[in-house]
Amino acid sequence: KQEVTQIPAALSVPEGENLVLNCSFTDSAIYNLQWFRQDPGKGLTSLLLIQSSQREQTSGRLNASLDKSSGRSTLYIAASQPGDSATYLCAVRPETSGSRLTFGEGTQLTVNP
Amino acid sequence: DAGVTQSPTHLIKTRGQQVTLRCSPKSGHDTVSWYQQALGQGPQFIFQYYEEEERQRGNFPDRFSGHQFPNYSSELNVNALLLGDSALYLCASSLVSNTEAFFGQGTRLTVV
Repeated sequence: KQEVTQIPAALSVPEGENLVLNCSFTDSAIYNLQWFRQDPGKGLTSLLLIQSSQREQTSGRLNASLDKSSGRSTLYIAASQPGDSATYLCAVRPETSGSRLTFGEGTQLTVNP
Repeated sequence: DAGVTQSPTHLIKTRGQQVTLRCSPKSGHDTVSWYQQALGQGPQFIFQYYEEEERQRGNFPDRFSGHQFPNYSSELNVNALLLGDSALYLCASSLVSNTEAFFGQGTRLTVV
């Protein structure tokens, strides 16, 4: 059974700091990994999708890396801003057919002005 | 292009009642999945619909059922509501299996 863990559970940083969020998964037989952002009480916004054959993806100030063999992914946020405050979730999709996602419990990020 | 839309946004029901939640997928998407998210936790997979059939199911009781219509929209039905069913219900759509998932804003269900 796939298990996804995100560390830390919560993080508070001053504005402008670069930061790294961690995601680990127990079964390396994944098809892809997706990072999401969730604002309080809202739905999920897709940030980055990394296919299992890729090592990293970048979008603006965000960079996600994937090490499939070790079961790890990181989300790097450069020059953090108060508007980045949200919960960040990672989710993996299995290699087998179907597109169910297994999520971690998220990292709650607060960026202080 | 409208994204994934869910209705209603909020709902309050009494224990034992039944509820129906609705989802319209992103234009062109044919696969719809439903997730339950309890407060402070990650979303949990309920089931997935493709070509109007349930293709995969998570660890949820039969009280949870669904339907997909020819236009790819979907409904989630929950019978005999329990207090523990209170959660944010999220709908996700994708184009064929194994591609990027897009989520709606969710329906907040409160069971009293």
